[in-house]
Amino acid sequence: AQTVTQSQPEMSVQEAETVTLSCTYDTSESDYYLFWYKQPPSRQMILVIRQEAYKQQNATENRFSVNFQKAAKSFSLKISDSQLGDAAMYFCAYQTNAGKSTFGDGTTLTVKP
Amino acid sequence: ETGVTQTPRHLVMGMTNKKSLKCEQHLGHNAMYWYKQSAKKPLELMFVYSLEERVENNSVPSRFSPECPNSSHLFLHLHTLQPEDSALYLCASSQGVTDPYEQYFGPGTRLTVT
Repeated sequence: AQTVTQSQPEMSVQEAETVTLSCTYDTSESDYYLFWYKQPPSRQMILVIRQEAYKQQNATENRFSVNFQKAAKSFSLKISDSQLGDAAMYFCAYQTNAGKSTFGDGTTLTVKP
Repeated sequence: ETGVTQTPRHLVMGMTNKKSLKCEQHLGHNAMYWYKQSAKKPLELMFVYSLEERVENNSVPSRFSPECPNSSHLFLHLHTLQPEDSALYLCASSQGVTDPYEQYFGPGTRLTVT
């Protein structure tokens, strides 16, 4: 079975600074997908960024980028120029190509003004 | 209405009650999901429906019974629940189950079992 580990239950960052959230996973599959989702307090979970395992190039979405290390089974999220609106719980998720998703425990990110 | 909606937003029920959670997606998606989000556990996938057929049942107790009458609606029927079933139940939808389709989540139903 696949497992997803987020080793940082809580992180904090100063506004305008950069923070990296870690995620590791375990799988025997070679073809899969990885996601970071964001769940703001009392608001709906939304997608931040996605990565296909067959792509070597790291995904980037504006201030959000990933460091995908397939051999190490690592998928960290870097948030640059952090903003107050980035405060949320962030979930790393692994998805098989049959649509089965496994989520990590989440990392609560606090942004300090 | 846009996106994924869930009703009710909050539900308190006794262990002998029968209730249903409703999810509706207005995105034209073909896949729908039920998740359980507890305070001390990661998000747990419960059921996956693709084109109204159940394609994933993650060893969920039979006191939870899903129903997908069409691709826009998903229900979770609840009966004789336990206090440990208290959690936030999230519904999600996606364009399909294959390929890296992102999931769109609803706001959730906060369930308390007394």
